Amino acid sequence: GAGVSQSPRYKVAKRGQDVALRCDPISGHVSLFWYQQALGQGPEFLTYFQNEAQLDKSGLPSDRFFAERPEGSVSTLKIQRTQQEDSAVYLCASSLAAGVVYNEQFFGPGTRLTVL
Amino acid sequence: AQSVAQPEDQVNVAEGNPLTVKCTYSVSGNPYLFWYVQYPNRGLQFLLKYITGDNLVKGSYGFEAEFNKSQTSFHLKKPSALVSDSALYFCAVWITDSWGKLQFGAGTQVVVTP
Repeated sequence: GAGVSQSPRYKVAKRGQDVALRCDPISGHVSLFWYQQALGQGPEFLTYFQNEAQLDKSGLPSDRFFAERPEGSVSTLKIQRTQQEDSAVYLCASSLAAGVVYNEQFFGPGTRLTVL
Repeated sequence: AQSVAQPEDQVNVAEGNPLTVKCTYSVSGNPYLFWYVQYPNRGLQFLLKYITGDNLVKGSYGFEAEFNKSQTSFHLKKPSALVSDSALYFCAVWITDSWGKLQFGAGTQVVVTP
């Protein structure tokens, strides 16, 4: 399809394991956002890419969280040494232009991470 | 701090009745406001946005929202609810710091009964 896709859809990790979550944005979309959605809460901003440049990572909760978008398309969110508090749904969104409020963000289905 | 608040965790309405989901905001400067809907195991879907202009904004699936500057509100409305409207609804505001980002409310679960 033409939408934002994320993989895996579900991930179970043991505490201390590293995980990598993938996002395939809509082709041609310049902007890419990662959000974390805890159970019963709204999505919380993690980081923002404009093409391959990570311009805002102010929402990353710790230095265990790392995101990249090396070729300006696919993005990976990596969490090192996972903790139970990392359990959440991780959402990826893309939009056509850069930094313009008028542009709608298209969301993927999310990856549900459970850390045991 | 810039934020949105959704005062109701859940809204229950009978099919065919009007549906209102409340949202209030607190921003410095002009507010840019959005509504998204989330169905189980699916990503958020955009419903509508207010950037400027008419206070009544029309969106997808028969939804509309009324921007009220004096009450700092942006309530989502639908004249006649459907069972298929049962979902989780999020209000969001665009935060104009740095490169900009969406800040979401906690969400309101809408339950439409036949």
